[in-house]
Amino acid sequence: GESVGLHLPTLSVQEGDNSIINCAYSNSASDYFIWYKQESGKGPQFIIDIRSNMDKRQGQRVTVLLNKTVKHLSLQIAATQPGDSAVYFCAEIAWGKLQFGAGTQVVVTP
Amino acid sequence: GAGVSQSPRYKVAKRGQDVALRCDPISGHVSLFWYQQALGQGPEFLTYFQNEAQLDKSGLPSDRFFAERPEGSVSTLKIQRTQQEDSAVYLCASSADPGRQFFGPGTRLTVL
Repeated sequence: GESVGLHLPTLSVQEGDNSIINCAYSNSASDYFIWYKQESGKGPQFIIDIRSNMDKRQGQRVTVLLNKTVKHLSLQIAATQPGDSAVYFCAEIAWGKLQFGAGTQVVVTP
Repeated sequence: GAGVSQSPRYKVAKRGQDVALRCDPISGHVSLFWYQQALGQGPEFLTYFQNEAQLDKSGLPSDRFFAERPEGSVSTLKIQRTQQEDSAVYLCASSADPGRQFFGPGTRLTVL
């Protein structure tokens, strides 16, 4: 069936560098996408969202890009910090329900 | 002003036992969701409430799983005759609007 998935299971990034996490989706009917951050032992935490009528949205140190042509979503984290180490999920709202991808583990090295 | 809380945080059950997991949503949030998260995977939708009405239970894996929210606030997820494959983290989320869901810390269930 249609699903949301991620290209890279693990991303290692040096402190201070920028991070890019990618996500592919296949449900062309999805019109709302969300990035969540999940630290060990905690529930997912909302980072940023974007609707399908936009191709870019910026938050504090984070930017989400949406390319509907190739059904691709990315999360950019500027000046990555140790506190950014976590698993990142993209998710889509499909039929009123959140559908998550498998996640990318981001490891920030000093 | 507390967020979503869940209890217990950890539960160990012997195979065949019944368990009950509790979720206290953010006050005033109409919508409440339950998810199951296997190790290394993203959360999988189980069921959804709007106030006390269970509008979608399509994600419940079997009839051993039952959820309720009788007064439109606190919710309980019950699993009867637990099996080893039920071992997972069970997440609860609440929201005031359809998109932005706030998650609790989860209950880690281990079935021996």
